Amino acid sequence: KAGVTQTPRYLIKTRGQQVTLSCSPISGHRSVSWYQQTPGQGLQFLFEYFSETQRNKGNFPGRFSGRQFSNSRSEMNVSTLELGDSALYLCASSPDRGAEKLFFGSGTQLSVL
Amino acid sequence: AQSVTQPDIHITVSEGASLELRCNYSYGATPYLFWYVQSPGQGLQLLLKYFSGDTLVQGIKGFEAEFKRSQSSFNLRKPSVHWSDAAEYFCAVAQYSSASKIIFGSGTRLSIRP
Repeated sequence: KAGVTQTPRYLIKTRGQQVTLSCSPISGHRSVSWYQQTPGQGLQFLFEYFSETQRNKGNFPGRFSGRQFSNSRSEMNVSTLELGDSALYLCASSPDRGAEKLFFGSGTQLSVL
Repeated sequence: AQSVTQPDIHITVSEGASLELRCNYSYGATPYLFWYVQSPGQGLQLLLKYFSGDTLVQGIKGFEAEFKRSQSSFNLRKPSVHWSDAAEYFCAVAQYSSASKIIFGSGTRLSIRP
């Protein structure tokens, strides 16, 4: 069974640009969550999607957005990139909204220059 | 508010020695507790989890953790570490009803001395 797949693996952007990251959950999983990991702030929850609806959102500015498609695949978008957005972005999927069977992808490493 | 504290930022142990990584949590109800491991530039791999029942939990790669409600702790242990155990370890607490409620500790970096 394939794991959580995140693309691209690495990304380099410049300030002011926008970026879209993709996450394909484990087959059958309907919940997708996104986390940002930085050396200074650690792992922080961005948002959770379940059945194409955003169920929860962390404390991030509106430049960070996401969506989920009918096949449960999810994308997150960051507009008007700032240097501080450089981070490892992790996606996790779960069969339902519980934390019991949460699996993480390898992440997308975003560098903003 | 929920929180997780990992008091040790960096630990170095010799290969073959025993290991204990500390984790303390603050949570109003019975927590769901996790330990994850992360190799450089990689995602998080679940080592073990505690939801209820036996307070000593066995995980993958020979790791175990013990839930102690009276001490609000969930320390991770391994009797004999291997060089491949060098990584960052994260303790986390969650509310089952939502995977998005996972709160992570700041992590403990483990180095192995040959």
